[in-house]
Amino acid sequence: DTGVSQNPRHKITKRGQNVTFRCDPISEHNRLYWYRQTLGQGPEFLTYFQNEAQLEKSRLLSDRFSAERPKGSFSTLEIQRTEQGDSAMYLCASSAEAFFGQGTRLTVV
Amino acid sequence: SQQGEEDPQALSIQEGENATMNCSYKTSINNLQWYRQNSGRGLVHLILIRSNEREKHSGRLRVTLDTSKKSSSLLITASRAADTASYFCATVTSGTYKYIFGTGTRLKVLA
Repeated sequence: DTGVSQNPRHKITKRGQNVTFRCDPISEHNRLYWYRQTLGQGPEFLTYFQNEAQLEKSRLLSDRFSAERPKGSFSTLEIQRTEQGDSAMYLCASSAEAFFGQGTRLTVV
Repeated sequence: SQQGEEDPQALSIQEGENATMNCSYKTSINNLQWYRQNSGRGLVHLILIRSNEREKHSGRLRVTLDTSKKSSSLLITASRAADTASYFCATVTSGTYKYIFGTGTRLKVLA
């Protein structure tokens, strides 16, 4: 499968716990994006990388959120001290025409 | 923040009819893309139109772009029940590489 891969597909966590999601982009793509989507809304931009450099972060990305792309390949998105408001679908995409993965659905209970 | 606004928010049609969705945006763009999303799934890229293009076709899809009006439309001809999904436009603002999505049109095609 040469598409964008996200793991896990679903995550249920207790409030206050930390969670980490992984995204494996299409191998030759150098730009990688993270989005968050809540029910009935369009995806909201969180951040994007050009190779390993994080070029832009949304104000939505509070200090509890951190994203990395250490070798310019896969990326991780970590949420610390999760809150119920973090429950959403987290989508990863890679360029040039942004191809999206299936997302990770996070439920914070 | 969301740049695009799709219109209508919801659309219900009979199989075989055409469906037209519109997207308006606010800033100068490099390109505009349309995506489809089935319930609870990821986004599927449908078509990209660059700012210097006015119309593109892909199968039963036709996309137009009017940069003077900052608007785009997606036409699905001869709709099928399998076209039932949410459709989003996403723009890339000039000078950036980030995609900003609209609020989506929920299309329901009745068999």
